[in-house]
Amino acid sequence: DVVMTQSPLSLPVTLGQPASISCRSSESLVHSDGNTYLNWFQQRPGQSPRRLIYKVSKRDSGVPDRFSGSGSGTDFTLKISRVQAEDVGVYYCMQGTQWPLTFGGGTEVEIK
Amino acid sequence: EVQLVESGGIVVQPGGSLRLSCAASGFTFDDYAMHWVRQAPGKGLEWVSLISWDGGTTYYADSVKGRFTISRDNSKNSLFLQMNSLRAEDTAFYYCAAPEEGYWGQGTLVTVSS
Repeated sequence: DVVMTQSPLSLPVTLGQPASISCRSSESLVHSDGNTYLNWFQQRPGQSPRRLIYKVSKRDSGVPDRFSGSGSGTDFTLKISRVQAEDVGVYYCMQGTQWPLTFGGGTEVEIK
Repeated sequence: EVQLVESGGIVVQPGGSLRLSCAASGFTFDDYAMHWVRQAPGKGLEWVSLISWDGGTTYYADSVKGRFTISRDNSKNSLFLQMNSLRAEDTAFYYCAAPEEGYWGQGTLVTVSS
């Protein structure tokens, strides 16, 4: 199975400041069809996960443009350009290139 | 609007059995593979099982292999998880999901305790 490793575990951020989360995979996530199936999910306290980003950098409908994804191969990053109070929660990367799906361990974003 | 509604979560004794159900609506259910993902209280997301669009292929996490069985009924837009020989470490919220499409249910809580 593909192992997904996220860092940091916890990310205290000042409101309005940027934040960056790293995700690394144990194998390349480039699928034989040429796509890279790397997703980012946000889980607010008490809620189900919500997908923010798919295929590395494509934002889901309704996701604010302060969220952006980048990367390739085995190294990926989620960036929040200016953290807002509603961004508090745990963020997970997930690969869908190979079955079974595998998730990173999560990064908790909190306001300083 | 996509909806995935899980049901069946309860408190069950170790060694017991339970069947979770998930009712899907708002999308073409039989176009997609479906998954169960669980989350122990205060912990991260753990993939549990998947079933292909036609039910012909299934996969299980090692932690549940031989104890859990995933199935689906495309005529009723429904997904199921039969859980046998339950252990305390199976205590978690269980989500019905198509994560590759961004579809998640609200989760149902399974508590394994004597």
